[in-house]
Amino acid sequence: DIQMTQSPSSLSASVGDRVTITCRASQSISSYLNWYQQKPGKAPKLLIYAASSLQSGVPSRFSGSGSGTDFTLTISSLQPEDFATYYCQQSYSTQVTFGQGTRLEIK
Amino acid sequence: QVQLVESGGGVVQPGGSLRLSCAASGFTFSSYGMHWVRQAPGKGLEWVAFIRYDGSNKYYADSVKGRFTISRDNSKNTLYLQMNSLRAEDTAVYYCAKDRGGPGSIDAFDIWGQGTMVTVSS
Repeated sequence: DIQMTQSPSSLSASVGDRVTITCRASQSISSYLNWYQQKPGKAPKLLIYAASSLQSGVPSRFSGSGSGTDFTLTISSLQPEDFATYYCQQSYSTQVTFGQGTRLEIK
Repeated sequence: QVQLVESGGGVVQPGGSLRLSCAASGFTFSSYGMHWVRQAPGKGLEWVAFIRYDGSNKYYADSVKGRFTISRDNSKNTLYLQMNSLRAEDTAVYYCAKDRGGPGSIDAFDIWGQGTMVTVSS
């Protein structure tokens, strides 16, 4: 199976900060990489698909980049509603795998 | 509106069985692949299974292969997960999710249900 490793596992930041979360795949997955946001007690929400395409309705402060094995999710200016856990997920293989998550907390 | 609603969760003893359902509305259910994803208490997301739009192909995580069966009834716009030989480590919130990709491909999960809790305990 393809292993997905996110870093950092947790992150403290302030409103207005620029934040970057990294996801690394154990083998090349081209651009088959998606990002999700999950708030406590809620279902995950798709933010970015195909590494860099913004899902409809998602604010433009969210962006994604990368290909092959290394990917990033960037939030350009943190808003109070962005404090949540973020997951990457590969859809290259029929054995779908998620990263372990990055918890974004208020500093 | 586009919606997925899971049901069927509950408490079951180890070795027992449970069937989850996921009712879809607001989109052409028969045109999309569907997934089950679970999340153990306090843990991350774990993909469980996928079924093609027509039910012709199914894929499972190694952790559930041979014990869980994904199926769908396109006439009822409903997805199912039959769970047998349940173990304590299967305790989780189970989500159904719609695949945004073409009928036979795996892509991102663009619509999620609210989840249903399954607890395996004696």
